Amino acid sequence: EVQLLESGGGLVQPGGSLRLSCAASGFTFSNYAMSWVRQAPGKGLEWVSAMSGSGASTYYADSVKGRFTISRDNSKNTLYLQMNSLRAEDTAVYYCAKHRGAIVVVSPVDYWGQGTLLTVSS
Amino acid sequence: DIQMTQSPSTLSASVGDRVTITCRASQSISSWLAWYQQKPGKAPKLLIYKASSLESGVPSRFSGSGSGTEFTLTISSLQPDDFATYYCQQYNSYPRFGQGTKVEI
Repeated sequence: EVQLLESGGGLVQPGGSLRLSCAASGFTFSNYAMSWVRQAPGKGLEWVSAMSGSGASTYYADSVKGRFTISRDNSKNTLYLQMNSLRAEDTAVYYCAKHRGAIVVVSPVDYWGQGTLLTVSS
Repeated sequence: DIQMTQSPSTLSASVGDRVTITCRASQSISSWLAWYQQKPGKAPKLLIYKASSLESGVPSRFSGSGSGTEFTLTISSLQPDDFATYYCQQYNSYPRFGQGTKVEI
């Protein structure tokens, strides 16, 4: 059974940093691309960042480019999102999501974690 | 960037109704489109991928169609469990979601 368990959310002041983690199990982690998707309170889904299974390719939404860094440790079956220079508009539930294939494009997201809440506020 | 536009934003319907949601892409995405269902406080669930392929375990009352820039999600006979928000997502390039359609009573 595929399981994705996010952790690391919390309350951070504007300008601060935080790292989210996603522990994966139930599948061969290195064979699949992974994404982070967020949802601000009462709003729709916003894709944030993605990484191919090998880690060779990374993608970022314009809203986070230069501030967020996605990474993965395939030996630990874990996906990360390092978030710097946080803003109030980054407040959201952050979901870890698995793609159906090893590459990000032409590969839909087929499993989601339950999410971790990040609140950016003074 | 490829923009995704869903309509309507909100849809009022009754149990047993046939419901159709439309998603338009700002440029051709071939058939690289997925549909997700999300209920309050829960993670999204994949319903349809590659525009018209039904995900395993999803009831057959859900169907998808379209290619290029225009796509539809149809629920043939709305059930109480189907009241939720639905999102389309293109994955021809890096993923992009539509703004969502809330199906309410």
